[in-house]
Amino acid sequence: DAGVIQSPRHEVTEMGQEVTLRCKPISGHNSLFWYRQTMMRGLELLIYFNNNVPIDDSGMPEDRFSAKMPNASFSTLKIQPSEPRDSAVYFCASRDRGLNTEAFFGQGTRLTVV
Amino acid sequence: AQSVTQLGSHVSVSEGALVLLRCNYSSSVPPYLFWYVQYPNQGLQLLLKYTSAATLVKGINGFEAEFKKSETSFHLTKPSAHMSDAAEYFCAVIPNFGNEKLTFGTGTRLTIIP
Repeated sequence: DAGVIQSPRHEVTEMGQEVTLRCKPISGHNSLFWYRQTMMRGLELLIYFNNNVPIDDSGMPEDRFSAKMPNASFSTLKIQPSEPRDSAVYFCASRDRGLNTEAFFGQGTRLTVV
Repeated sequence: AQSVTQLGSHVSVSEGALVLLRCNYSSSVPPYLFWYVQYPNQGLQLLLKYTSAATLVKGINGFEAEFKKSETSFHLTKPSAHMSDAAEYFCAVIPNFGNEKLTFGTGTRLTIIP
Protein backbone atom coordinates (compact mmCIF):
# COMPACT_ATOMS: atom_id res chain seq x y z
CA ASP A 1 0.00 0.00 0.00
CA ALA A 2 1.22 3.52 -0.75
CA GLY A 3 0.25 4.77 2.67
CA VAL A 4 -1.96 7.75 3.42
CA ILE A 5 -1.88 10.15 0.50
CA GLN A 6 -2.56 13.84 0.89
CA SER A 7 -2.84 16.48 -1.77
CA PRO A 8 -1.68 19.05 -2.42
CA ARG A 9 1.61 19.03 -0.48
CA HIS A 10 1.75 22.80 -0.52
CA GLU A 11 -0.99 25.36 -1.00
CA VAL A 12 -0.67 29.11 -1.09
CA THR A 13 -3.89 31.05 -1.34
CA GLU A 14 -5.21 34.52 -0.78
CA MET A 15 -7.35 35.43 2.18
CA GLY A 16 -11.01 34.89 1.44
CA GLN A 17 -10.47 32.07 -1.04
CA GLU A 18 -11.82 28.57 -0.62
CA VAL A 19 -9.27 25.86 0.10
CA THR A 20 -9.84 22.11 -0.23
CA LEU A 21 -7.42 19.58 1.18
CA ARG A 22 -7.67 15.95 0.12
CA CYS A 23 -6.85 12.65 1.73
CA LYS A 24 -6.82 9.05 0.60
CA PRO A 25 -6.56 6.70 3.59
CA ILE A 26 -4.96 3.28 3.60
CA SER A 27 -7.26 0.73 2.04
CA GLY A 28 -9.22 -1.21 4.64
CA HIS A 29 -8.77 1.29 7.44
CA ASN A 30 -12.03 2.34 9.03
CA SER A 31 -11.00 5.47 10.97
CA LEU A 32 -9.76 8.73 9.51
CA PHE A 33 -8.43 11.75 11.38
CA TRP A 34 -7.69 15.34 10.38
CA TYR A 35 -5.10 17.22 12.44
CA ARG A 36 -3.71 20.74 12.27
CA GLN A 37 -0.16 21.50 13.39
CA THR A 38 1.16 24.96 14.27
CA MET A 39 4.05 26.19 16.35
CA MET A 40 1.72 27.89 18.79
CA ARG A 41 -0.91 25.19 19.27
CA GLY A 42 0.93 22.00 18.46
CA LEU A 43 -0.97 19.07 16.96
CA GLU A 44 -4.73 19.56 17.23
CA LEU A 45 -7.36 17.00 16.33
CA LEU A 46 -9.95 18.68 14.15
CA ILE A 47 -12.32 15.83 13.35
CA TYR A 48 -12.40 12.09 13.02
CA PHE A 49 -14.54 9.63 11.12
CA ASN A 50 -15.45 6.02 11.80
CA ASN A 51 -16.79 4.06 8.83
CA ASN A 52 -17.18 7.34 6.91
CA VAL A 53 -19.33 8.88 9.65
CA PRO A 54 -18.10 11.96 11.55
CA ILE A 55 -17.81 10.96 15.21
CA ASP A 56 -16.23 13.96 16.87
CA ASP A 57 -15.86 17.38 15.25
CA SER A 58 -15.36 19.32 18.47
CA GLY A 59 -11.91 20.38 17.32
CA MET A 60 -13.13 22.14 14.19
CA PRO A 61 -12.28 25.76 14.96
CA GLU A 62 -15.31 27.44 13.39
CA ASP A 63 -17.98 27.18 10.75
CA ARG A 64 -15.52 28.11 8.06
CA PHE A 65 -14.14 24.59 8.38
CA SER A 66 -15.97 21.55 7.07
CA ALA A 67 -14.96 17.95 6.41
CA LYS A 68 -16.54 15.17 4.44
CA MET A 69 -15.91 11.52 3.82
CA PRO A 70 -18.16 10.47 0.94
CA ASN A 71 -16.66 6.98 0.80
CA ALA A 72 -14.06 4.81 2.51
CA SER A 73 -11.25 5.91 0.21
CA PHE A 74 -11.55 9.68 0.19
CA SER A 75 -11.94 12.63 2.53
CA THR A 76 -11.79 16.39 2.17
CA LEU A 77 -11.21 19.25 4.55
CA LYS A 78 -12.53 22.57 3.28
CA ILE A 79 -11.92 26.06 4.55
CA GLN A 80 -14.21 28.78 3.22
CA PRO A 81 -13.34 31.61 3.45
CA SER A 82 -9.70 31.14 4.38
CA GLU A 83 -7.87 33.51 6.74
CA PRO A 84 -4.15 34.05 7.44
CA ARG A 85 -4.53 32.40 10.86
CA ASP A 86 -5.46 29.16 9.10
CA SER A 87 -1.88 28.86 7.90
CA ALA A 88 -0.59 25.55 9.24
CA VAL A 89 0.32 22.02 8.26
CA TYR A 90 -2.73 19.81 7.99
CA PHE A 91 -2.30 16.08 8.47
CA CYS A 92 -4.59 13.24 7.62
CA ALA A 93 -4.21 9.88 9.37
CA SER A 94 -6.00 6.56 9.13
CA ARG A 95 -6.12 3.47 11.29
CA ASP A 96 -7.58 0.01 11.25
CA ARG A 97 -10.36 -1.05 13.61
CA GLY A 98 -9.41 -1.85 17.20
CA LEU A 99 -8.37 0.35 20.10
CA ASN A 100 -4.74 -0.79 20.05
CA THR A 101 -4.01 -0.11 16.40
CA GLU A 102 -1.78 2.77 15.46
CA ALA A 103 -2.58 5.63 13.14
CA PHE A 104 -0.65 6.08 9.91
CA PHE A 105 0.00 9.64 8.83
CA GLY A 106 0.22 11.30 5.47
CA GLN A 107 3.00 13.73 4.61
CA GLY A 108 0.78 16.70 5.32
CA THR A 109 -0.38 19.75 3.41
CA ARG A 110 1.38 23.00 4.20
CA LEU A 111 -1.20 25.75 3.83
CA THR A 112 -0.22 29.39 3.61
CA VAL A 113 -2.94 32.02 3.48
CA VAL A 114 -1.67 35.45 2.51
CA ALA B 1 -11.33 13.96 28.69
CA GLN B 2 -8.48 11.54 28.20
CA SER B 3 -5.16 13.34 27.72
CA VAL B 4 -1.40 13.02 27.95
CA THR B 5 1.10 15.49 29.35
CA GLN B 6 4.64 15.72 28.06
CA LEU B 7 7.03 17.39 30.46
CA GLY B 8 9.65 19.47 28.74
CA SER B 9 9.01 20.97 25.34
CA HIS B 10 12.74 20.87 24.59
CA VAL B 11 15.32 18.31 25.70
CA SER B 12 19.02 18.37 24.82
CA VAL B 13 21.37 15.45 25.35
CA SER B 14 24.91 14.71 24.28
CA GLU B 15 25.57 12.11 21.65
CA GLY B 16 25.94 8.76 23.41
CA ALA B 17 24.02 9.87 26.49
CA LEU B 18 20.73 8.50 27.79
CA VAL B 19 17.56 9.89 26.26
CA LEU B 20 14.54 10.24 28.56
CA LEU B 21 11.32 11.83 27.32
CA ARG B 22 8.43 11.99 29.76
CA CYS B 23 4.75 11.28 29.22
CA ASN B 24 1.99 11.02 31.80
CA TYR B 25 -1.61 10.09 31.09
CA SER B 26 -4.76 11.12 32.89
CA SER B 27 -7.06 8.18 33.44
CA SER B 28 -8.03 5.76 36.17
CA VAL B 29 -8.37 3.08 33.51
CA PRO B 30 -5.11 2.42 31.65
CA PRO B 31 -5.53 3.62 28.09
CA TYR B 32 -3.72 2.64 24.90
CA LEU B 33 -0.55 4.69 24.57
CA PHE B 34 1.71 5.48 21.64
CA TRP B 35 4.94 7.29 20.92
CA TYR B 36 5.44 8.92 17.54
CA VAL B 37 8.42 10.69 16.01
CA GLN B 38 8.34 13.53 13.51
CA TYR B 39 11.36 14.48 11.45
CA PRO B 40 11.46 17.94 9.81
CA ASN B 41 8.89 18.43 7.06
CA GLN B 42 7.52 14.94 7.45
CA GLY B 43 4.47 13.25 8.89
CA LEU B 44 4.42 11.34 12.15
CA GLN B 45 5.84 7.83 12.35
CA LEU B 46 5.07 5.27 15.04
CA LEU B 47 7.95 4.42 17.39
CA LEU B 48 6.11 2.03 19.69
CA LYS B 49 2.79 1.36 21.39
CA TYR B 50 1.48 0.00 24.68
CA THR B 51 -1.38 -2.43 24.36
CA SER B 52 -1.38 -4.05 27.84
CA ALA B 53 0.45 -7.19 26.66
CA ALA B 54 3.70 -6.10 28.32
CA THR B 55 4.72 -3.13 30.44
CA LEU B 56 8.12 -2.74 28.77
CA VAL B 57 7.67 -2.03 25.10
CA LYS B 58 10.46 -2.02 22.56
CA GLY B 59 10.22 0.07 19.43
CA ILE B 60 12.18 1.05 16.40
CA ASN B 61 15.58 2.76 16.37
CA GLY B 62 16.53 1.40 19.81
CA PHE B 63 13.78 3.20 21.71
CA GLU B 64 11.72 1.62 24.45
CA ALA B 65 9.06 2.75 26.92
CA GLU B 66 7.84 1.41 30.21
CA PHE B 67 4.22 1.58 31.27
CA LYS B 68 3.89 2.31 35.00
CA LYS B 69 0.32 2.28 36.24
CA SER B 70 1.26 3.49 39.73
CA GLU B 71 2.82 6.60 38.21
CA THR B 72 0.40 6.92 35.25
CA SER B 73 3.48 7.25 33.09
CA PHE B 74 4.81 5.97 29.77
CA HIS B 75 8.27 7.50 29.47
CA LEU B 76 10.38 6.97 26.36
CA THR B 77 14.05 6.05 26.70
CA LYS B 78 17.06 5.20 24.61
CA PRO B 79 20.37 4.18 26.21
CA SER B 80 22.64 6.00 23.78
CA ALA B 81 21.60 8.98 21.67
CA HIS B 82 22.57 9.29 18.03
CA MET B 83 22.64 12.45 15.96
CA SER B 84 19.88 10.96 13.82
CA ASP B 85 17.54 10.93 16.83
CA ALA B 86 17.11 14.69 16.62
CA ALA B 87 13.40 15.17 15.97
CA GLU B 88 10.13 15.96 17.69
CA TYR B 89 8.52 13.22 19.76
CA PHE B 90 4.83 12.94 20.56
CA CYS B 91 3.03 10.83 23.12
CA ALA B 92 -0.56 9.92 22.17
CA VAL B 93 -3.53 8.21 23.81
CA ILE B 94 -6.70 6.35 22.93
CA PRO B 95 -9.05 5.79 25.86
CA ASN B 96 -9.79 2.22 26.87
CA PHE B 97 -13.51 2.75 26.57
CA GLY B 98 -16.02 4.39 24.30
CA ASN B 99 -14.69 6.36 21.38
CA GLU B 100 -11.43 5.89 19.49
CA LYS B 101 -10.32 9.48 19.65
CA LEU B 102 -6.53 9.65 19.21
CA THR B 103 -5.16 12.65 21.12
CA PHE B 104 -1.57 13.87 21.14
CA GLY B 105 0.57 15.58 23.73
CA THR B 106 2.27 18.88 23.01
CA GLY B 107 5.47 17.24 21.83
CA THR B 108 9.12 17.31 22.93
CA ARG B 109 11.82 18.53 20.61
CA LEU B 110 14.99 16.47 21.10
CA THR B 111 18.33 18.05 20.25
CA ILE B 112 21.51 16.00 20.16
CA ILE B 113 24.74 17.76 21.08
CA PRO B 114 27.79 16.45 19.21
